[in-house]
Amino acid sequence: NAGVMQNPRHLVRRRGQEARLRCSPMKGHSHVYWYRQLPEEGLKFMVYLQKENIIDESGMPKERFSAEFPKEGPSILRIQQVVRGDSAAYFCASSRPRGAMGSTDTQYFGPGTRLTVL
Amino acid sequence: GEDVEQSLFLSVREGDSSVINCTYTDSSSTYLYWYKQEPGAGLQLLTYIFSNMDMKQDQRLTVLLNKKDKHLSLRIADTQTGDSAIYFCAESFSGGSYIPTFGRGTSLIVHP
Repeated sequence: NAGVMQNPRHLVRRRGQEARLRCSPMKGHSHVYWYRQLPEEGLKFMVYLQKENIIDESGMPKERFSAEFPKEGPSILRIQQVVRGDSAAYFCASSRPRGAMGSTDTQYFGPGTRLTVL
Repeated sequence: GEDVEQSLFLSVREGDSSVINCTYTDSSSTYLYWYKQEPGAGLQLLTYIFSNMDMKQDQRLTVLLNKKDKHLSLRIADTQTGDSAIYFCAESFSGGSYIPTFGRGTSLIVHP
């Protein structure tokens, strides 16, 4: 059973370019969460999605950032017109649907995408 | 202040026990987690405990929960150099917003 997959693992962009980060949840998981980790800081929640639905985006910056989780394919976190302050590790996590047998809402994390903005 | 607090660093000698502490503020927390992050890697779930439990043991790991004081600890017995990593405490409440809140992480350094 493959774990949470993220790609690319490393991404380098110049200021003003777009960054697209992809996340494929674990098999059987329909909930996806995106987090950002700045150097020497903890994880900050960004957005929580189910298929075709944004459930909670309270941690997303109001501009330039968007996320989707289409019916088919991976979840995408998009950052438009990147700036140096966007340089960070972006982690995706997935969990089972709430109420599923044995569900603890426990999140399983991918290896992250490390974004560097030059 | 932070909802979940941890000390930033812990240094132990190989073979000794490590105790990583965490305090949280949300008394309605239902699940409490410990994650491990090795350099350049994602977070690996180590263990979790339900808020109605006091203790959970899993091989070299022992989790203690003092719900009254909102204090969680992770004890690693016979600490090895491979245990060197950042350990994150997290809490979530399944009855409401179940997005876990993470602490800033404790860097565990194991030296020979």
